[in-house]
Amino acid sequence: EADIYQTPRYLVIGTGKKITLECSQTMGHDKMYWYQQDPGMELHLIHYSYGVNSTEKGDLSSESTVSRIRTEHFPLTLESARPSHTSQYLCASSRTGGLGEQFFGPGTRLTVL
Amino acid sequence: KQEVTQIPAALSVPEGENLVLNCSFTDSAIYNLQWFRQDPGKGLTSLLLIQSSQREQTSGRLNASLDKSSGRSTLYIAASQPGDSATYLCADLISSNTGKLIFGQGTTLQVKP
Repeated sequence: EADIYQTPRYLVIGTGKKITLECSQTMGHDKMYWYQQDPGMELHLIHYSYGVNSTEKGDLSSESTVSRIRTEHFPLTLESARPSHTSQYLCASSRTGGLGEQFFGPGTRLTVL
Repeated sequence: KQEVTQIPAALSVPEGENLVLNCSFTDSAIYNLQWFRQDPGKGLTSLLLIQSSQREQTSGRLNASLDKSSGRSTLYIAASQPGDSATYLCADLISSNTGKLIFGQGTTLQVKP
């Protein structure tokens, strides 16, 4: 069974705070992704990683940053949160080769006041 | 640039009906196509994945088809149930190297008891 975890599930925070959204997977997948989804809108890729020490920006510009120090861990950081960052953030992973199937975590719903 | 469109945006049917959700894409050079289900405020659950060399995939009451030449995929749900109520998303994998998915806007399905 696919196991990919995100914490926190919900976060309400004030403007200007630094936040880190956690994502971990136990499947040994080398590729990981962060998507942003505004309410009622489609998902947009904001970051992805091919493996350890590899990170790339996605199709949608984002002020967030990511790191990939360990295969299983792909945290996303906002240095100074703003109300425009209010959204749902979804993490996913897939393995190189195979069918390219992506598995998603439950998401973090972020609200910046 | 690949664009994915889903029609209709919303659909309401009585329990027991068979229904079809549509997905169209502009670039036929896809690696595979995935159908996902998303419940409100939750992450995505993978339903079916069709490789570019395949025409259809089946899982229980779900059947997904792929016609690359016309740039279309359909998700057929047989004997719909209230528990099928959710948003259904299709996504193209355009590169097996990057693993990047391009998502449609989704079809929100309501099945009335």
